[in-house]
This record gives sequence, structure tokens and C-alpha cells, in this order.
Amino acid sequence: QKEVEQDPGPLSVPEGAIVSLNCTYSNSAFQYFMWYRQYSRKGPELLMYTYSSGNKEDGRFTAQVDKSSKYISLFIRDSQPSDSATYLCAMVNTGNQFYFGTGTSLTVIP
Amino acid sequence: DAGVIQSPRHEVTEMGQEVTLRCKPISGHNSLFWYRQTMMRGLELLIYFNNNVPIDDSGMPEDRFSAKMPNASFSTLKIQPSEPRDSAVYFCASSYWDRTYEQYFGPGTRLTVT
Repeated sequence: QKEVEQDPGPLSVPEGAIVSLNCTYSNSAFQYFMWYRQYSRKGPELLMYTYSSGNKEDGRFTAQVDKSSKYISLFIRDSQPSDSATYLCAMVNTGNQFYFGTGTSLTVIP
Repeated sequence: DAGVIQSPRHEVTEMGQEVTLRCKPISGHNSLFWYRQTMMRGLELLIYFNNNVPIDDSGMPEDRFSAKMPNASFSTLKIQPSEPRDSAVYFCASSYWDRTYEQYFGPGTRLTVT
């Protein structure tokens, strides 16, 4: 079993829709949870991170961590065509080991 | 700030040749990471340095791969000899040592080994 599982998609939504992206994990030692956005042929760009459980909001983006279920989510409100990209979840454990999901490809159709 | 700088951006080489990838981290960052990204395996951490010292190289696939960080502003990833299965995009990222969850990635080097 992989440390981090992420549905690769692809996910296609109309402009203005609410998007939900998710990852599951198996290691309870993860303590930081990150979401990166990667445009085609570019490096990943950090969107936001959360520490432990709870929610964090930044503009149209909300990150949610449920440690009891080992499940994290990224919600995008009022999605825009410029949100079309691959979204990678990532996690760091207490031993400073990093794991990335394989990414979910998102297309927002105008 | 110019961000993380990587060179070359593209590299095409023949099997058996030596390949050297270069990275300049963001000024002031003291942790540096090398990743490899493929469609099949996603983004994999190869090695990371804290204050120029390798901390975790468990992701380095085999002895053909080596990485160095001679000073705080420069790192190299070398593959010798290269093989077709090394074809991938190689990313360098940097962060502050106590904020490794906040990494900044370079644009990557697309390596093709024929």
C-alpha cells in the first residue's frame, strides 16, 4: 500500500463549480499536509499547508484535514479556467520524510 | 528573488553518457531537495540537504546517481552512466530548514536518454 493515495482523475468541471480534491494516507505520523498546484511543464507551486487536523482557508481555496479518517481535501470555490492544472497533495511525517500523491488533473471548462 | 534556478532546462543524451543537472536555491534557504517526476511513479524525493549536508538519500535509485552541495548556493545531481529509464523531469526545491513543508520548486530539467 502506498503511503499517500490520490485519484489521478482526470476531473472536468464547468466554470463556477465547486471542486473537491482528495487524498488518503496510511501513516498516522504525518503532521504537515500540503497542496501543490502544477501547471503543464512547470514546477509544483505551494498553494497552502495545514498542521495537524482542521480547516484552513485562503481565498477560494479551503484545505481540510481529518486525521481520524486519514483523509485530506482541497476545495476550490467558484472554479476558474485558470485553475486548470494538476493538484498534488503532500505530507511530512515527524521524521521529516516527504511523500507526494501522484496528482489529480483538473480542467475547468469556460 | 529569482526563485530556484535549474539548468539545463532540457537535456537529450545517449545511453551511457554522464549527465549533470544544476540547481541554485533561493538565497537564504538552507534545505535543498532533488525530485524526479514520471507519469508512472509521480514525484519522488531523491535526496535532500540541510546546510549543505545530505540528510536523506534513501530515494537515490542506485549508485549511478550522486548529488553534491559544495556551498549554500549550488547543488548538482549527476547520473553516470545514464540509461533510458532515467528519462524524467528532475526538480530541485528549497526551503528554510525549519519549514520544509514550505518548499519552492524550480522549473525542472527534462531529461531524455536515448
